[in-house]
Amino acid sequence: QKEVEQNSGPLSVPEGAIASLNCTYSDRGSQSFFWYRQYSGKSPELIMFIYSNGDKEDGRFTAQLNKASQYVSLLIRDSQPSDSATYLCAARDYNQGGKLIFGQGTELSVKP
Amino acid sequence: NAGVTQTPKFRILKIGQSMTLQCTQDMNHNYMYWYRQDPGMGLKLIYYSVGAGITDKGEVPNGYNVSRSTTEDFPLRLELAAPSQTSVYFCASEPGLAGNEQFFGPGTRLTVL
Repeated sequence: QKEVEQNSGPLSVPEGAIASLNCTYSDRGSQSFFWYRQYSGKSPELIMFIYSNGDKEDGRFTAQLNKASQYVSLLIRDSQPSDSATYLCAARDYNQGGKLIFGQGTELSVKP
Repeated sequence: NAGVTQTPKFRILKIGQSMTLQCTQDMNHNYMYWYRQDPGMGLKLIYYSVGAGITDKGEVPNGYNVSRSTTEDFPLRLELAAPSQTSVYFCASEPGLAGNEQFFGPGTRLTVL
């Protein structure tokens, strides 16, 4: 069974700090990876996707991918209280209709 | 564009009842998905569709059925509701696998008592 695992939360960081969220995946054939943010009671919304080894930056967010280690991470710089949410990591499974396999999510709390 | 819409927002069912969760998208997307999310957990795929007339099972299809008669609509049917189906249900769509974002509806919170 293909799996995506995220470090268990909740993760608490002070405002202005760097939040680091981690994710590992079991299927070495996975090519594309996604980070979604989900506020309590709301639907997931895409933050970033990454499919090449290395870093991808978008504003305060940086996604990192290491395919050899089967590891994906999301760094949030200058964390704000508005970043407090659950972050879902997902890998796309092209062998099954391109469906996304989601991790269980990591809850992030940014304290003012 | 309204995006992905779902109805109802909330529903309480008794054990053994049936219901249909509605999902509509106005973005002309070919791919549509149904997920369930249990408290503190990620999303589990129930069923998906790659186009009108084509559906396939995901990870947790038991107790559910779907149909896709049009590009826009992808209803999820629950037959003989059970307490284990208490969850939040999300519908999502995307244009195709070359795209990089699934667009999610607002969700339906279902309780089975």
